[in-house]
Amino acid sequence: KAGVTQTPRYLIKTRGQQVTLSCSPISGHRSVSWYQQTPGQGLQFLFEYFSETQRNKGNFPGRFSGRQFSNSRSEMNVSTLELGDSALYLCAISLAVVEGNEQFFGPGTRLTVL
Amino acid sequence: GQSLEQPSEVTAVEGAIVQINCTYQTSGFYGLSWYQQHDGGAPTFLSYNGLDGLEETGRFSSFLSRSDSYGYLLLQELQMKDSASYFCAVSPAGGYNKLIFGAGTRLAVHP
Repeated sequence: KAGVTQTPRYLIKTRGQQVTLSCSPISGHRSVSWYQQTPGQGLQFLFEYFSETQRNKGNFPGRFSGRQFSNSRSEMNVSTLELGDSALYLCAISLAVVEGNEQFFGPGTRLTVL
Repeated sequence: GQSLEQPSEVTAVEGAIVQINCTYQTSGFYGLSWYQQHDGGAPTFLSYNGLDGLEETGRFSSFLSRSDSYGYLLLQELQMKDSASYFCAVSPAGGYNKLIFGAGTRLAVHP
């Protein structure tokens, strides 16, 4: 069964700090994508990792980075936090290799930047 | 580039039928998806149209017309629990599992 855990669920940081968020898919999910959701910009694609390689990247500044480990777990990092980085960060997994397949979203990490 | 437009809000009563439209401008995509998100929750997959036509899944149906750059989600026999935000999304060609989302439609179901 598909599923994904995200930690932490809530996080408060101050401007200028950095943060690392984690996404752990149930084993077998090789594709992990990250999204940022804000009231103003909606759901925006950050990047996708497949078998430890970033194969797609959204239109975000270099302060946003990520990686994937051999066990499919993924992390995303945001450096030099800005107030506008306050958002719900979601990761999504897909079992399939081909495009357009159903994505399963994790519960998200709610980041607040003060 | 790609952009999707959908109404910001829709209101309906229990038991009714509601249609949420999605028009898009895109240079190429594999299919149109629909996701539901309750307040405080994560988006959950509802439906995917890779080809033109109607896809039916229980009370929910989705339609795609590539020639009209248009799709819709049809919700029948509305229930209070259907009150949520609904997002259409495209899978751009060559984008692997990337999804580009519309801004979302907030559906309020009243008794």
